[in-house]
Amino acid sequence: DAKTTQPPSMDCAEGRAANLPCNHSTISGNEYVYWYRQIHSQGPQYIIHGLKNNETNEMASLIITEDRKSSTLILPHATLRDTAVYYCIVRVRTGANSKLTFGKGITLSVRP
Amino acid sequence: KAGVTQTPRYLIKTRGQQVTLSCSPISGHRSVSWYQQTPGQGLQFLFEYFSETQRNKGNFPGRFSGRQFSNSRSEMNVSTLELGDSALYLCASSPLGLAGSTDTQYFGPGTRLTVL
Repeated sequence: DAKTTQPPSMDCAEGRAANLPCNHSTISGNEYVYWYRQIHSQGPQYIIHGLKNNETNEMASLIITEDRKSSTLILPHATLRDTAVYYCIVRVRTGANSKLTFGKGITLSVRP
Repeated sequence: KAGVTQTPRYLIKTRGQQVTLSCSPISGHRSVSWYQQTPGQGLQFLFEYFSETQRNKGNFPGRFSGRQFSNSRSEMNVSTLELGDSALYLCASSPLGLAGSTDTQYFGPGTRLTVL
């Protein structure tokens, strides 16, 4: 699976949009971009995934650049409960390869 | 639908002992994966079970083993515990099997193992 690069940390004000970047310049055509987050000492929580089109669900939006070498996770109205480590992962979406390779992630701090 | 459950949530053992952790996947999910999380190494993949067979394995010593039952529940075992085995052990389940189904993994809350 391709590697990802994320800044170590960022913060944003409560109620504002949080835009979390991720670089995956070596991504291949059949690899998906997944985002998880982990609130302190809990299990990682699935947020969203996509291949090349932008995706939106009740939690967040995922914007993938046209060349697919980078993406941005958008939390439209961040709350204090969104403070967590966010992991961007690229992987082949196939049942034969279920391993998730986690990097260090980006620590998002939402301030009041 | 109930999420992934793991038992016990907390465990304290001493060096040399062995431990068994349990994971119940989301109903209908056929794959169970195990991960170890430590402050130094982060989240690392241990192994994955599908239809009672180990399908993928990470780079861990043979002291780490697992199995899956016919109802998809899974257990992992660590023998001859070392201090470095202290970690949060996470289990994740995914549906798999059907063509076109998502294989997104959903994690349980983890078991916090402390080895003294």
